[in-house]
Amino acid sequence: SQELEQSPQSLIVQEGKNLTINCTSSKTLYGLYWYKQKYGEGLIFLMMLQKGGEEKSHEKITAKLDEKKQQSSLHITASQPSHAGIYLCGGYKLSFGAGTTVTVRA
Amino acid sequence: GAVVSQHPSRVICKSGTSVKIECRSLDFQATTMFWYRQFPKQSLMLMATSNEGSKATYEQGVEKDKFLINHASLTLSTLTVTSAHPEDSSFYICSARDWGVGSGGTEAFFGQGTRLTVV
Repeated sequence: SQELEQSPQSLIVQEGKNLTINCTSSKTLYGLYWYKQKYGEGLIFLMMLQKGGEEKSHEKITAKLDEKKQQSSLHITASQPSHAGIYLCGGYKLSFGAGTTVTVRA
Repeated sequence: GAVVSQHPSRVICKSGTSVKIECRSLDFQATTMFWYRQFPKQSLMLMATSNEGSKATYEQGVEKDKFLINHASLTLSTLTVTSAHPEDSSFYICSARDWGVGSGGTEAFFGQGTRLTVV
């Protein structure tokens, strides 16, 4: 089964600073989801990447898929308190990485 | 976007009793739904894949007789935690893909989760 490893496990960033989260797959990536969650709540869909080299952006969040490296990255520009939460990457069969907890300090 | 409704959002039950959690796709048909369990400060653990009209596919280590999954229609899947024990207390969440025209089955939608507490 596909295993997804996320890094870092957690990070604290000053408001206004950028941050990057990585997701590495143990197998070929045929598609990758990024979600955001506050623990105890449902998941918020951020974006899905399907093709190698694909890059998608939504507001201040950009995700890229490097198929050859079996890796995806999520980048947040000029972070805000609303960006705080747990970010999860999920494979096409919806197995998830361990998550990255993001804290944004004012 | 499509909506997945999960009910109840919270439930407290006594040890030894069974609890049923419902997952409904409100505006699309979901031939496949997924059930997850989440422990505090941990990621979602896929428990099983629920297939409409057939048996669910369970992940390794998940007890089939403990966590009964029924996907009786294209819009409803249920997870029943049988003979619940305190260690079954957790956050359970379901998701479904929209394979309808125009959606491509790519985006997965999640319920809001159910917090189960077994006392």
